[in-house]
Amino acid sequence: ILNVEQSPQSLHVQEGDSTNFTCSFPSSNFYALHWYRWETAKSPEALFVMTLNGDEKKKGRISATLNTKEGYSYLYIKGSQPEDSATYLCAFPGGSARQLTFGSGTQLTVLP
Amino acid sequence: DVKVTQSSRYLVKRTGEKVFLECVQDMDHENMFWYRQDPGLGLRLIYFSYDVKMKEKGDIPEGYSVSREKKERFSLILESASTNQTSMYLCASSGAASYNEQFFGPGTRLTVL
Repeated sequence: ILNVEQSPQSLHVQEGDSTNFTCSFPSSNFYALHWYRWETAKSPEALFVMTLNGDEKKKGRISATLNTKEGYSYLYIKGSQPEDSATYLCAFPGGSARQLTFGSGTQLTVLP
Repeated sequence: DVKVTQSSRYLVKRTGEKVFLECVQDMDHENMFWYRQDPGLGLRLIYFSYDVKMKEKGDIPEGYSVSREKKERFSLILESASTNQTSMYLCASSGAASYNEQFFGPGTRLTVL
């Protein structure tokens, strides 16, 4: 079983704060790194799929960076809003690379 | 608009019952997956399928089986439900490559009494 670790486990920030969290994954046999957002009472939805070392992706106020050599990815949220409250999951393809191993997630709460 | 549907949102079963959870996707995806989600444990892969009639065990296959007779449909079977299988079950599908994102269904909250 692959080790995909996320930190912190949970985070409370004030509206307007910027925040970031970390995903660590095995640095060997890299295929891709996925980020998903999972809001309460909804299904997980993909934010980014990153494939290249040094890759940087952005969607609105959310961005992510990737370092495949050292095995980590950062997710940044600029100017957090209450609607950003969710669990953020990263996932790493393992085994035959057909399936994903998910981290346990970072639960973000943005307080108004 | 891509869609993954699951047969039930909530299900209550008794210990020892046979339980079927159905998942259907309309995106012609090769891969389909069954996960369970438990507090503090994240999403854990039970089984996945990369083609019709093909299946592979995930991280926690014990007590479960699957069936994929048609490309769009992937069923999870609990042969004899037990209380420790009370959980949220999520189905997902994706294209074949590791960089293809997964699309998730709404989940089935199963309670085994």
